[in-house]
Amino acid sequence: RKEVEQDPGPFNVPEGATVAFNCTYSNSASQSFFWYRQDCRKEPKLLMSVYSSGNEDGRFTAQLNRASQYISLLIRDSKLSDSATYLCVVGDSSYKLIFGSGTRLLVRP
Amino acid sequence: NAGVTQTPKFQVLKTGQSMTLQCAQDMNHNSMYWYRQDPGMGLRLIYYSASEGTTDKGEVPNGYNVSRLNKREFSLRLESAAPSQTSVYFCASSEGGAGEKLFFGSGTQLSVL
Repeated sequence: RKEVEQDPGPFNVPEGATVAFNCTYSNSASQSFFWYRQDCRKEPKLLMSVYSSGNEDGRFTAQLNRASQYISLLIRDSKLSDSATYLCVVGDSSYKLIFGSGTRLLVRP
Repeated sequence: NAGVTQTPKFQVLKTGQSMTLQCAQDMNHNSMYWYRQDPGMGLRLIYYSASEGTTDKGEVPNGYNVSRLNKREFSLRLESAAPSQTSVYFCASSEGGAGEKLFFGSGTQLSVL
């Protein structure tokens, strides 16, 4: 079993749609959680950290469920520019961050 | 503001050749990392350096060596390249540990024939 698992997609949605991604992790001792965005052939960039109480940044909402060991990302009012691969990232108490293989999102006009 | 700079951007090697990937950051970060990204596998940690003078193995260290030359620079060396090392390599840095934001270089696409 992979340490961090994501549905690879692609999720193909129209502009304006709401889309949600989930990610599960296997290490119950994990302490830090993130969503990164990666555009085709580019480096990953931090989209948002994920906090225990859930957090929102504009159209993006991240939630953490420690009991079930999953993280979610909700994107409201999708834009064409949201098309990218979204990487779920989990960190333990050391310096190691484990990346999921990513979920690809395609937003169509 | 350059951030994380890695070179080269592209490289083709023959099996058995050696090379060094260079990485430098200008953000005064303590920690630096080398990842590889393969299709369907996500990014996997090769080696990391928590601070100047220290290096540790990640998930997939075999076939690689690293040097933390100073606080700014962290190089990755392939002593005898193999086709299985064909991948995209990313260097990254952060202020501290696993709870910190990672800043990535633009990547090196390496092909080993």
